[in-house]
Amino acid sequence: GENVEQHPSTLSVQEGDSAVIKCTYSDSASNYFPWYKQELGKRPQLIIDIRSNVGEKKDQRIAVTLNKTAKHFSLHITETQPEDSAVYFCAARKPSGSARQLTFGSGTQLTVLP
Amino acid sequence: ETGVTQSPTHLIKTRGQQVTLRCSSQSGHNTVSWYQQALGQGPQFIFQYYREEENGRGNFPPRFSGLQFPNYSSELNVNALELDDSALYLCASNGEGSGGVDTQYFGPGTRLTVL
Repeated sequence: GENVEQHPSTLSVQEGDSAVIKCTYSDSASNYFPWYKQELGKRPQLIIDIRSNVGEKKDQRIAVTLNKTAKHFSLHITETQPEDSAVYFCAARKPSGSARQLTFGSGTQLTVLP
Repeated sequence: ETGVTQSPTHLIKTRGQQVTLRCSSQSGHNTVSWYQQALGQGPQFIFQYYREEENGRGNFPPRFSGLQFPNYSSELNVNALELDDSALYLCASNGEGSGGVDTQYFGPGTRLTVL
């Protein structure tokens, strides 16, 4: 099955700096890669996603890049703010069959220091 | 916030008991997936229902079972509870419409504690 590895597990940055979280996946058939933000005690919320026919996608301060050859994708947050502090999860999904199940990474605890 | 709701919010059970968790999908979504999230870990896929049929299953034993109703709401049943079943149980819905068919929107979860 699919395996997703995520690094680092914890990340501290100063407010205003950039943060980068990296994920690798094992199954080259995976074609959809969402990123979720989960604040303490709350539900995971989709912040950005990318499909395999695109190399990069940006939404204001957040961007995701995908390298299909190397089977890795990254989340970039610029001009970080204290409210960006949360656990971030990457995920990957295969198109095989009809089940749109997501395989998640283990999460990155991001702390933005004021 | 998404339109996905779950009940109950919290639940405490003892080992060996059975539990039923409920999920109402976002309007227009015909697919519901269930995930188990242990403390400090990413969500793990349990199974998915599409139009009332199981549509994929993760690496969970048969004592985890589910159901989807004609209105696309869903239940997760866990029999013979074990201590390791203590976790946050999340449901997610997706379907045609906002975000596209791939995008899964999560509910707030049910925190299950097994003593």
